[in-house]
Amino acid sequence: DTAVSQTPKYLVTQMGNDKSIKCEQNLGHDTMYWYKQDSKKFLKIMFSYNNKELIINETVPNRFSPKSPDKAHLNLHINSLELGDSAVYFCASSQEGRDFMETQYFGPGTRLLVL
Amino acid sequence: GQNIDQPTEMTATEGAIVQINCTYQTSGFNGLFWYQQHAGEAPTFLSYNVLDGLEEKGRFSSFLSRSKGYSYLLLKELQMKDSASYLCAAMDSNYQLIWGAGTKLIIKP
Repeated sequence: DTAVSQTPKYLVTQMGNDKSIKCEQNLGHDTMYWYKQDSKKFLKIMFSYNNKELIINETVPNRFSPKSPDKAHLNLHINSLELGDSAVYFCASSQEGRDFMETQYFGPGTRLLVL
Repeated sequence: GQNIDQPTEMTATEGAIVQINCTYQTSGFNGLFWYQQHAGEAPTFLSYNVLDGLEEKGRFSSFLSRSKGYSYLLLKELQMKDSASYLCAAMDSNYQLIWGAGTKLIIKP
């Protein structure tokens, strides 16, 4: 029943490690997103991706990379984790098209703590 | 630059009415969204305005003035479960959402 799901929900890891967060949506949406929400609660867009285009926020370090095996999945890979990467990462999806208001549906979030 | 401003925190009483304001500056405009986020949970969609005026949806209403770059979310008959952060987000010309930091709403009995 879950519309947008993410795994894992919690991730605790050491600096320098490489980790991945998985995201799946069963809404049939065209576009998926990754957001980072820091301790000040700002939601910062990292990537948006549909089958035509990957849009990257230029402030995102290239240690972060999205991987989309198919339309329903957009996974986030993070290399060489740093302390500042600790945050909550949200996946979201929306349906493309002017008639759909492009309302974004969010996953439950992955709480990443880098030690 | 692109910017969203909303108050950091507001307090209201159960059963009362509260208005949360949001001002925005974006490169182009394709609508204004309000989301609700309970602590430790994901944001959930509340409302969308692209034309000037008031949109009412049950206890929640949202208003937009494009000429003023201004929106508000109006919550009536406040309930304890309305305690949450309310996020304002404006969609720019590239259909990207620019998010505010959220307004933490505290409801007191």
